[in-house]
Amino acid sequence: TQLLEQSPQFLSIQEGENLTVYCNSSSVFSSLQWYRQEPGEGPVLLVTVVTGGEVKKLKRLTFQFGDARKDSSLHITAAQPGDTGLYLCADPPSGTYKYIFGTGTRLKVLA
Amino acid sequence: KAGVTQTPRYLIKTRGQQVTLSCSPISGHRSVSWYQQTPGQGLQFLFEYFSETQRNKGNFPGRFSGRQFSNSRSEMNVSTLELGDSALYLCASSLYGDPDTEAFFGQGTRLTVV
Repeated sequence: TQLLEQSPQFLSIQEGENLTVYCNSSSVFSSLQWYRQEPGEGPVLLVTVVTGGEVKKLKRLTFQFGDARKDSSLHITAAQPGDTGLYLCADPPSGTYKYIFGTGTRLKVLA
Repeated sequence: KAGVTQTPRYLIKTRGQQVTLSCSPISGHRSVSWYQQTPGQGLQFLFEYFSETQRNKGNFPGRFSGRQFSNSRSEMNVSTLELGDSALYLCASSLYGDPDTEAFFGQGTRLTVV
C-alpha cells in the first residue's frame, strides 16, 4: 500500500516568510497533485506535476517533482495570511479510481 | 457552472442511529467518490461510483454503503453510528474518475456522533 508522508505536520510563520513543505512516497508516482483545503471547505487543486524534475510556478508557489518521481516539494515565497490552510499532496487515480492523499501540512500565516 | 453540492452541511446524530448524506456532482460528471476526513487519519477513500456502478471500495466496515442514481447524484449511508464515525465527509466529482480528468470536491458534510 502506497504511503504519502508530508512534513512538517504543522507550520506557523509570520507574514512575509518563506517556507517549504515536502511530500514523500513509498513508491513511484505516475503523477502528483497538490491541493489546498481552507477551513470549512473541500480541497482545491493547485497543480499537477507529471514529469520527474518538473518545476511549476503558480504566483508565489513553486512546485517541484523529484527526479525519481518519489517526492515533491511546495515552496511558498513571502507567505500571506491568505495562504493559511491544509496542504495535501495526492496520488491521482490510476486504474483504481481513488486518490491517495498525504498526511497533510497545516500552515498558519500570522499577520 | 455550479460546483459540487453536499447536503446537509452539518449533522448531529446519536450512537446507533443511521444517516444518509447526499452529493450532487457537477453537471456532466459521471464519477463520484467519497472520502472521510478526520484529524487522526486524514483523508481516507470510501468508495467510487461511475454510471451507477461501484468501481472501488475502501477499507471501511459494511456499515458504510453508497449508491449512485441515473442523474449521477450519489448518496452514502452509515448505519449503526459509532462515536468514531464523527468526521468530515467529502465527495468529489469528475468526468471519468481517471487521472486525466480533474476532480472537484464539495464543501463536505460535518457529521458529529454523540
